[in-house]
Parts: sequence; C-alpha cells; structure tokens
Amino acid sequence: QKEVEQDPGPLSVPEGAIVSLNCTYSNSAFQYFMWYRQYSRKGPELLMYTYSSGNKEDGRFTAQVDKSSKYISLFIRDSQPSDSATYLCAMRAFNKFYFGSGTKLNVKP
Amino acid sequence: EPEVTQTPSHQVTQMGQEVILRCVPISNHLYFYWYRQILGQKVEFLVSFYNNEISEKSEIFDDQFSVERPDGSNFTLKIRSTKLEDSAMYFCANLGQGGKGYTFGSGTRLTVV
Repeated sequence: QKEVEQDPGPLSVPEGAIVSLNCTYSNSAFQYFMWYRQYSRKGPELLMYTYSSGNKEDGRFTAQVDKSSKYISLFIRDSQPSDSATYLCAMRAFNKFYFGSGTKLNVKP
Repeated sequence: EPEVTQTPSHQVTQMGQEVILRCVPISNHLYFYWYRQILGQKVEFLVSFYNNEISEKSEIFDDQFSVERPDGSNFTLKIRSTKLEDSAMYFCANLGQGGKGYTFGSGTRLTVV
C-alpha cells in the first residue's frame, strides 16, 4: 500500500466552480499536512500547511484534515483559470516528507 | 519572500558524464533536501542534509550520487556517471524553522542523451 494516495485526474471544471481535491494516507505518524501547487515545469509552491486535524482557510482555499479517516482535502472556491495546475498533497512524519502523485486541475474560462 | 535558487535551469549531458546541480538555499535554514520528479510522475525524495552531513537518503540515492555544501552557502548534487533514466527535474528544498513545509527551488531540468 502506498503511503499517500492521490487521484491523478485530470479534473476539468468551469470557472467559478468549487473544486475538491483529496488524498488518503496510511501512516498514523503523519502530523503535518500540506498542499502544494505546481505549474508546468516549475517547482512546487506551498499553498496550505496544517498541523493535526481540523480546518484552515486562506482566501479562496480551505484545507481539511481528518486524521481519524486518514483523509485530507483542499477546497478551492470561485476557481479561476490561473488555478490550473497540478496540486500535490504532502505529509510529514519526523523529518521526512511524503508526496502524493498530484492531481492535474484545469479551470476552463 | 525568501527564495531557493537553482542553477542551471536546464542541462543536457551525454550518458556517462558527470553533472553538478547547484542550489543556493535560504540563509539560516537548517535542513536541505534534494528531490527529483521524472516527467509526469510524483516528486521523489533523494536525500536530506543537516549539519553538513547526510541525515537520510532514499534507495534512489545510490553510489553515483553525492551531495556537498562546499562553501557554507551553496548546496550541490553530483551525479557521477549519468544514465538515461536520470533525466528528470531535480528540486532543491529547504525546511524552514518550525518545520512548516518546504520551500522548493524552481528546479533543474536534466536531460541525459
């Protein structure tokens, strides 16, 4: 079983839609949960960072962590064409990070 | 916003040649990492570096790979004898104080021909 599972997509939505991106994981030691955005041929850029279970909101982005279900989500409200990118979830246990394979999102104007 | 800078942005090399990928991390950050991403695949951990020595490495990081901090600021990844399958994006990353996620560099695209 992979440490982190993420649907690769692609996910195509119209501009203004609410987007839901998800990851599941198997390692109970994960305590830090992150979402990265990666544009084509660029390095991943940290979007959201959460510790343990709960919600965190930053502008149009909301990150949710449910440790009991080993499930994390990223919601994007009022999606824009500029949100088109690959979204990577990442989790940390001790000093090692584990990445999902990324979900490719396309927001159509 | 502090940045991690990587050079070169793109390198083409012949199979069997040595390459050195360079990174200037954010100053005062303690942990340094190299990751790679083969086109269309996931980001894969290579090695972590703390206090001027390797703290952890993956099974990918075999004897052909090495890392150094030659002058206290630059952080390099050397691949001694490149293979076709080494073609990938290589990312340097810092772990900030407090451990809040990585800051990635923009990457070096390595193409082995």
